[in-house]
Amino acid sequence: GIQVEQSPPDLILQEGANSTLRCNFSDSVNNLQWFHQNPWGQLINLFYIPSGTKQNGRLSATTVATERYSLLYISSSQTTDSGVYFCAVVIPPGNTGKLIFGQGTTLQVKP
Amino acid sequence: EPEVTQTPSHQVTQMGQEVILRCVPISNHLYFYWYRQILGQKVEFLVSFYNNEISEKSEIFDDQFSVERPDGSNFTLKIRSTKLEDSAMYFCASSVVAGGGEKLFFGSGTQLSVL
Repeated sequence: GIQVEQSPPDLILQEGANSTLRCNFSDSVNNLQWFHQNPWGQLINLFYIPSGTKQNGRLSATTVATERYSLLYISSSQTTDSGVYFCAVVIPPGNTGKLIFGQGTTLQVKP
Repeated sequence: EPEVTQTPSHQVTQMGQEVILRCVPISNHLYFYWYRQILGQKVEFLVSFYNNEISEKSEIFDDQFSVERPDGSNFTLKIRSTKLEDSAMYFCASSVVAGGGEKLFFGSGTQLSVL
């Protein structure tokens, strides 16, 4: 089956720093999404980004589907950015909507 | 913004008991899902549901699990005879379209503890 690998597994930043999280996937995908799981366990959908680049405030994401990777950029990090970031993909044909998650990157932003 | 609502937020049960986890998906969504996350691990797909039937299920979703949409708003996951290894956070999710079209929206989860 498809492999979804995220790096780095853990990341510690000082508040205000920038970071890049990476998601590699081993096969073609229909759909790629980035999620933030906050310390209370909630899964917040950040981006639906099967290809191209999107920005939302301090966050942006880029997916290069032909090279099978996606990047999540966090600029000017804040303590509220702490948590686990997951990427998740849907493989073709994708008509059931099943998402396959990576193992996540645990981010800690220190004040 | 519309939300997926899950109840209860925490459920403690004895091994062998039946539990029902409840979800109210976003009202105009057509595809419904259950996922689970064992503590410290990644989120795993359990089942997808469309047009009142299961469209895909994982190996985890064995005969002890069932899903139902009993009315126009609720979506439930039943575990008939819980095991210790069923302890996990269970997330309900919904989407307007499946697969290639759109974001999946997750509820806040039900933390199930089997003693």
